[in-house]
Amino acid sequence: DAGITQSPRHKVTETGTPVTLRCHQTENHRYMYWYRQDPGHGLRLIHYSYGVKDTDKGEVSDGYSVSRSKTEDFLLTLESATSSQTSVYFCAISENRAGYSNQPQHFGDGTRLSIL
Amino acid sequence: ILNVEQSPQSLHVQEGDSTNFTCSFPSSNFYALHWYRWETAKSPEALFVMTLNGDEKKKGRISATLNTKEGYSYLYIKGSQPEDSATYLCATGDSSYKLIFGSGTRLLVRP
Repeated sequence: DAGITQSPRHKVTETGTPVTLRCHQTENHRYMYWYRQDPGHGLRLIHYSYGVKDTDKGEVSDGYSVSRSKTEDFLLTLESATSSQTSVYFCAISENRAGYSNQPQHFGDGTRLSIL
Repeated sequence: ILNVEQSPQSLHVQEGDSTNFTCSFPSSNFYALHWYRWETAKSPEALFVMTLNGDEKKKGRISATLNTKEGYSYLYIKGSQPEDSATYLCATGDSSYKLIFGSGTRLLVRP
């Protein structure tokens, strides 16, 4: 199994509070991704990173920011959490650009976030 | 935003039945098609990545085909077992090579 650790695994917080989710990898892969999973939508990309300090937006980036100061860590921050951000968040990694190569993405175990 | 469609949305079959489902994607600027298996309360697990028109991949009782000219891929499961119950996701790359996922086909195999 790919070495991907997400923390925390579960979190309950209140509307308006900041929340940071962490993804840590031991594979030294260049590309890292944050997705959210919602019923009827499958997986939607929030932000991704193509190297240290290199990040870009995905399809549902509003209300989220990311940072990558080290190859192994990719942080997702909700500056002021809203109830619409209640979801399961998955981190993924890939050696090359997943949409262009014959290598798959590998996923972490997910973080279940509830915002009350 | 690139549109990836999967059908059917859900499927209930009896143990032993063979089944198949479809992933449709834009045929222009194609690079790769991914299939993932996603069990409830777990993380998605890669099944196949296909890049060439006519590609066929097989893993045990599961196989997949790819037609890039018409923009579809089929996933087949032969002799379904209860442990095959999962959501099957496909994904393809957009113009900046990010993966765009379909909403999945949920398969339930009854014993």
